[in-house]
Amino acid sequence: GDSVTQMEGPVTLSEEAFLTINCTYTATGYPSLFWYVQYPGEGLQLLLKATKADDKGSNKGFEATYRKETTSFHLEKGSVQVSDSAVYFCALKERSGGGADGLTFGKGTHLIIQP
Amino acid sequence: DTGVSQNPRHKITKRGQNVTFRCDPISEHNRLYWYRQTLGQGPEFLTYFQNEAQLEKSRLLSDRFSAERPKGSFSTLEIQRTEQGDSAMYLCASSLSSEGFGETQYFGPGTRLLVL
Repeated sequence: GDSVTQMEGPVTLSEEAFLTINCTYTATGYPSLFWYVQYPGEGLQLLLKATKADDKGSNKGFEATYRKETTSFHLEKGSVQVSDSAVYFCALKERSGGGADGLTFGKGTHLIIQP
Repeated sequence: DTGVSQNPRHKITKRGQNVTFRCDPISEHNRLYWYRQTLGQGPEFLTYFQNEAQLEKSRLLSDRFSAERPKGSFSTLEIQRTEQGDSAMYLCASSLSSEGFGETQYFGPGTRLLVL
């Protein structure tokens, strides 16, 4: 079945540091890929997405590129802020109707940014 | 506000009792999803509706779980004869199928269930 693997957390960085959160996936078809973020006390919200190979999703200074050859969708940000502290989830959604149409999520990576 | 809403936000029940959760999606969204999230894990898909039709159910959804979406609007998720293992956050999300393969699912705040 489909699966998403993310780097374990917590990840602790200083403000203005460079961020990478690794995400790799296994899928039977050709999925769309997503990063969701959950800020403290809030619900899940979409951060960015990509629907085909080599597409780059970007939002709020975060970027991720859909790499089909390495089955990866790593999240990056050049300079993190304290307000980026949150839990980040990588997820995929299959295109075909053969399986469940829900999102398949990774376990999440807790990011802590220290001032 | 036109976001996804869920009620109640918290529910404490005793083992063996039945519980029902409600989800109100974004009004123009025709797809509605239910997920379950336990501590330290990502959300796990339970089931989804397109309009009023329940199109997919995960193997996680045992016979004690039932979901409905009458008239394609709000949805309810009922758990019968609750067990301690049902303690989790239950999330609802909605989306527009017309967005295509990359459709964005908008999540509600969740209902946290504790079974004593």
